[in-house]
Amino acid sequence: KNEVEQSPQNLTAQEGEFITINCSYSVGISALHWLQQHPGGGIVSLFMLSSGKKKHGRLIATINIQEKHSSLHITASHPRDSAVYICAVSYNNNDMRFGAGTRLTVKP
Amino acid sequence: DTAVSQTPKYLVTQMGNDKSIKCEQNLGHDTMYWYKQDSKKFLKIMFSYNNKELIINETVPNRFSPKSPDKAHLNLHINSLELGDSAVYFCASSLHGVNEQFFGPGTRLTVL
Repeated sequence: KNEVEQSPQNLTAQEGEFITINCSYSVGISALHWLQQHPGGGIVSLFMLSSGKKKHGRLIATINIQEKHSSLHITASHPRDSAVYICAVSYNNNDMRFGAGTRLTVKP
Repeated sequence: DTAVSQTPKYLVTQMGNDKSIKCEQNLGHDTMYWYKQDSKKFLKIMFSYNNKELIINETVPNRFSPKSPDKAHLNLHINSLELGDSAVYFCASSLHGVNEQFFGPGTRLTVL
């Protein structure tokens, strides 16, 4: 069983829809990361958070430390948001574990 | 102006060969990483280097060896390449190992 579980694995949405991707993890962490991998393969860090909520443009990330759960929300989704979104957790020793990713397709 | 760069972008080689992938960052970060992304797109950490010192080493075969000549570089040497080594390898860096990571563009390694 992976230490980091993401859902859903695949998600198709219509442009403009509100999107939620979920991530749960099994042990205490130092931080949780949301990454975006575009079809071209490049990886971009979207958020790193250890508590509460962060917002960047149309993207919002939340984390509940007690429940060991995080969500990534995309408001007013756009076809350019189509990508694989990866949840990852890091530990104090710089170790990092990744979820399997959520493939998002936003249709015009 | 690329923050984290990797060379080469593509590497095709025969089984049994020895190859290296180079990584450089110009962000002034002190921690660098190597990750492997397999054919199912699953990422796994291989190594982490902080101030030229190996911090963690996942269960990676000793055919893989990271070499850091200075804080800005972390190269990956692979000896006796095997078919299962075919993957995309990503380099990344961060400040103090507890901040956001910046990823390189990846190197697609194909072992024939």
